Amino acid sequence: NAGVTQTPKFQVLKTGQSMTLQCAQDMNHNSMYWYRQDPGMGLRLIYYSASEGTTDKGEVPNGYNVSRLNKREFSLRLESAAPSQTSVYFCASSLDKSYEQYFGPGTRLTVT
Amino acid sequence: GNSVTQMEGPVTLSEEAFLTINCTYTATGYPSLFWYVQYPGEGLQLLLKATKADDKGSNKGFEATYRKETTSFHLEKGSVQVSDSAVYFCALSKRTGANNLFFGTGTRLTVIP
Repeated sequence: NAGVTQTPKFQVLKTGQSMTLQCAQDMNHNSMYWYRQDPGMGLRLIYYSASEGTTDKGEVPNGYNVSRLNKREFSLRLESAAPSQTSVYFCASSLDKSYEQYFGPGTRLTVT
Repeated sequence: GNSVTQMEGPVTLSEEAFLTINCTYTATGYPSLFWYVQYPGEGLQLLLKATKADDKGSNKGFEATYRKETTSFHLEKGSVQVSDSAVYFCALSKRTGANNLFFGTGTRLTVIP
């Protein structure tokens, strides 16, 4: 039982490049989330998926897209990376949106 | 709106000292309250939770009581250890609506031997 897994762990991009962050959970959870963590700002929600087949914007969705590929997987795409997207990205899942969330180990992204 | 305010860190304590990290919240309705902990290089882990007023969450020697009258959920531990060094996040979860989990900015705790 791996919980929530994320790939890659580290990534460096040049401005304008694109990439996809992958997330998978094996807990049969319905809801999944993407957050970014920046110094002094805590975690901010980028996008979430309350259930398979649905996605919704969070607090800071600009510059990102998401895909809920199936119940297990929820990916985050940066189409044209910007230095302001340098951050640590966390994926999380919960049984339902009103339950506690379980977090992956994070992806540290640097955009130069 | 919904928000969480935590005491700013960093906090540095000697081993076996008493710990309090303050957390207050603003919310409509009756949220659930959580403390998450983030150890160096890792993701967040749920430390404890409380789902209604006067509930006390506890885990690993940490405690927090849901105080509706003061809209607070302060984290306490009677005797901290070096292994408790981490960043602690207070969070609230609305029971209804869409975007449901709101985090404080985190408090870094360092425990020295």
